Amino acid sequence: TQLLEQSPQFLSIQEGENLTVYCNSSSVFSSLQWYRQEPGEGPVLLVTVVTGGEVKKLKRLTFQFGDARKDSSLHITAAQPGDTGLYLCAGAQRGGSNYKLTFGKGTLLTVNP
Amino acid sequence: NAGVTQTPKFQVLKTGQSMTLQCAQDMNHEYMSWYRQDPGMGLRLIHYSVGAGITDQGEVPNGYNVSRSTTEDFPLRLLSAAPSQTSVYFCASSAKGGPYEQYFGPGTRLTVT
Repeated sequence: TQLLEQSPQFLSIQEGENLTVYCNSSSVFSSLQWYRQEPGEGPVLLVTVVTGGEVKKLKRLTFQFGDARKDSSLHITAAQPGDTGLYLCAGAQRGGSNYKLTFGKGTLLTVNP
Repeated sequence: NAGVTQTPKFQVLKTGQSMTLQCAQDMNHEYMSWYRQDPGMGLRLIHYSVGAGITDQGEVPNGYNVSRSTTEDFPLRLLSAAPSQTSVYFCASSAKGGPYEQYFGPGTRLTVT
């Protein structure tokens, strides 16, 4: 069973459209991170959300952490070809003295000019 | 700062061969980890280390060994390569585990024939 479910798995849209991708779980996380990965490179952190109900904005990207800290969403306004990439969510859970970070399978976004 | 570096970038092995994937970071991070990324499977944790001399298993540790003799280096050893280990391998570091930003290396694409 996948701890973090991301949807949709694939998304192809035209430049200028809006989109939302989701990251859902039945487990509670102490925080949740969103990364973007471009082909041939490692993931790069976009944002970390910590508080239930938290909303963070990064230019045209809006991230929300669910009230129960089990889910998150990423909304992109007026998508551009430069937004193309694999979007990964990662949830942190405390295990003993350390944290465990679990990644979802990702949403592959293609923005066509 | 070079960040997280990985060598080699590409590698082809025959079944049964052994090799070491190198990872180094120059950010004085305590926490380092190895992930593998397979199509449709997301990032899965192989091994991690919370400091020099301390390592632990992740989600998919079988067939891999690690050691952490210095803060900077965290090599991943494949003792007897199998086709199932064909994957892209990413090394990551963070100041601490869990909710702290993970800095990823550029990855090593490994093919086992």
